[in-house]
Amino acid sequence: DTEVTQTPKHLVMGMTNKKSLKCEQHMGHRAMYWYKQKAKKPPELMFVYSYEKLSINESVPSRFSPECPNSSLLNLHLHALQPEDSALYLCASSHTSYNEQFFGPGTRLTVL
Amino acid sequence: GENVEQHPSTLSVQEGDSAVIKCTYSDSASNYFPWYKQELGKRPQLIIDIRSNVGEKKDQRIAVTLNKTAKHFSLHITETQPEDSAVYFCAATVPGGSYIPTFGRGTSLIVHP
Repeated sequence: DTEVTQTPKHLVMGMTNKKSLKCEQHMGHRAMYWYKQKAKKPPELMFVYSYEKLSINESVPSRFSPECPNSSLLNLHLHALQPEDSALYLCASSHTSYNEQFFGPGTRLTVL
Repeated sequence: GENVEQHPSTLSVQEGDSAVIKCTYSDSASNYFPWYKQELGKRPQLIIDIRSNVGEKKDQRIAVTLNKTAKHFSLHITETQPEDSAVYFCAATVPGGSYIPTFGRGTSLIVHP
């Protein structure tokens, strides 16, 4: 299996909702990432787990909360989001540092 | 931290022409340079990459060149086809710790049939 999968594909939520995005890979990769991407812009790194250790982009607001239950799964918990958080959320994984990233298909998030 | 500049932001060519996208990076320690293609509504996909111990790499119609002294690298696409139309992102990675590439701003390539 050489794919990264993400669910759901689309998500519409209100500003008071709590939702979670899920990501899974079965390639034995030890690094997993969450990115936020606006249209025609590069992906912006939000969080990275490397060997299950979290590194945080300090600019990411606390309404985004990552979780890595095991080396194959990555979740992104969403709470009290703002309309400007509407974007494509991409998950990626890589074997180790110095290796290419494999991206999932993304979750298209709309915050009303 | 690393900073990657990418030019041009938009590139329009006729089918069959060549296309060149250029990137410069700031951190001389960067040693891995991937290029991603992202079609509308789809995920970024790696199309070619180069490591700092190599000056050039080619895969069919796609080639990447790296000049470590000048700290720039370029993507070359020959015999462009309409299906090459997409946004292309370059990236540079400083070794050590997690693999965290710094992306360029992207180039929107349009190939006219």
